Amino acid sequence: EAGVTQFPSHSVIEKGQTVTLRCDPISGHDNLYWYRRVMGKEIKFLLHFVKESKQDESGMPNNRFLAERTGGTYSTLKVQPAELEDSGVYFCASSQVGTGGANEQYFGPGTRLTVT
Amino acid sequence: AQSVTQPDIHITVSEGASLELRCNYSYGATPYLFWYVQSPGQGLQLLLKYFSGDTLVQGIKGFEAEFKRSQSSFNLRKPSVHWSDAAEYFCAVGAWNNNDMRFGAGTRLTVKP
Repeated sequence: EAGVTQFPSHSVIEKGQTVTLRCDPISGHDNLYWYRRVMGKEIKFLLHFVKESKQDESGMPNNRFLAERTGGTYSTLKVQPAELEDSGVYFCASSQVGTGGANEQYFGPGTRLTVT
Repeated sequence: AQSVTQPDIHITVSEGASLELRCNYSYGATPYLFWYVQSPGQGLQLLLKYFSGDTLVQGIKGFEAEFKRSQSSFNLRKPSVHWSDAAEYFCAVGAWNNNDMRFGAGTRLTVKP
């Protein structure tokens, strides 16, 4: 079974440009999460999809960030326009919708975004 | 508000030595606690988790963690560290549905030969 995959692994863009990150969750996982880790800081929650619906987007920093999940499969996170403070590692995770109890989230390797 | 503190940013241990990584949490309800490890170029991998019951939980790769409610701690331990354990370790606390996880800032482990 393939794990969570993310593309690209590393992106370097200039301030003001647009970048789109992609996440492919584990097949059959309805929950999809985006997180971000700014260098040396904690991993912070950005948002949570259940299938194609945004369940919780309370962690999105501002309206320069747009997340979508087409058809409840893969998800994209677009940053437009990018600012220097957007640099960091963006993680995606997925989990099954369980019957209760904390379901394990499976993480992708992350996309390292560098804004110069 | 829930939060996690990992006091040690970087720890260096000799191979074969014992290891303890500290984690303190703040959570208003019954916490669900996790330890993840991230090796270079890899995603976060779950080492172990605590929901209820026995406060000493066993995980993969020979790791264990002990939940101490009185100290709001969930420290990770391993009796004998291997060179392959060099990685970054994250403690996290979440709600029952695991949809609201909070992570610590991570502890980077270096293993000396």
